[in-house]
Amino acid sequence: QKEVEQDPGPLSVPEGAIVSLNCTYSNSAFQYFMWYRQYSRKGPELLMYTYSSGNKEDGRFTAQVDKSSKYISLFIRDSQPSDSATYLCAMSATAAGNKLTFGGGTRVLVKP
Amino acid sequence: ETGVTQSPTHLIKTRGQQVTLRCSSQSGHNTVSWYQQALGQGPQFIFQYYREEENGRGNFPPRFSGLQFPNYSSELNVNALELDDSALYLCASSSPPGSGGEQYFGPGTRLTVT
Repeated sequence: QKEVEQDPGPLSVPEGAIVSLNCTYSNSAFQYFMWYRQYSRKGPELLMYTYSSGNKEDGRFTAQVDKSSKYISLFIRDSQPSDSATYLCAMSATAAGNKLTFGGGTRVLVKP
Repeated sequence: ETGVTQSPTHLIKTRGQQVTLRCSSQSGHNTVSWYQQALGQGPQFIFQYYREEENGRGNFPPRFSGLQFPNYSSELNVNALELDDSALYLCASSSPPGSGGEQYFGPGTRLTVT
């Protein structure tokens, strides 16, 4: 079993809908949680960074962490076709700048 | 501010050959991490360099090695290439380990081993 599980999708939504993404993990030592967006054949781009449990909002993006359930989520409001990409969750036990353990990524398609 | 850059963009090698990939860190970052991303999968941590020394290593064999230079740039070397080494190799830079800074990724080098 992988340390971080993520539904591969694809997740198809109409433009303007809310995109809901999540990851589950097994390592209770993870404290730093990140979401990256990756366009085809490009490097991952950092979207959100959260330390420990709680919610964080940045524009159209909201990240939630529930350490008791070992479950993290990313919500994208008012989705746009430009949001079509693969979304990767990543976690670290020691620091955001140290070894990251990634999920397999969820492919999202926002249809105009 | 200059972002993370990697070279070459892509290359093709034959099984058994050796390859060197290069990375320049983002301005102000002195820590570099390397990841391997197979097609359709998430990146896997290879190792990290800080102050020109290896600072953590993932589950990769010794034929994967690296260097970091005084200007914080880094190289990833892979010897005795195998078909399964075909992947996107990503470099990420960050501020010193434990400082709380996030990792920022370069565009990657796509390696194909035939």
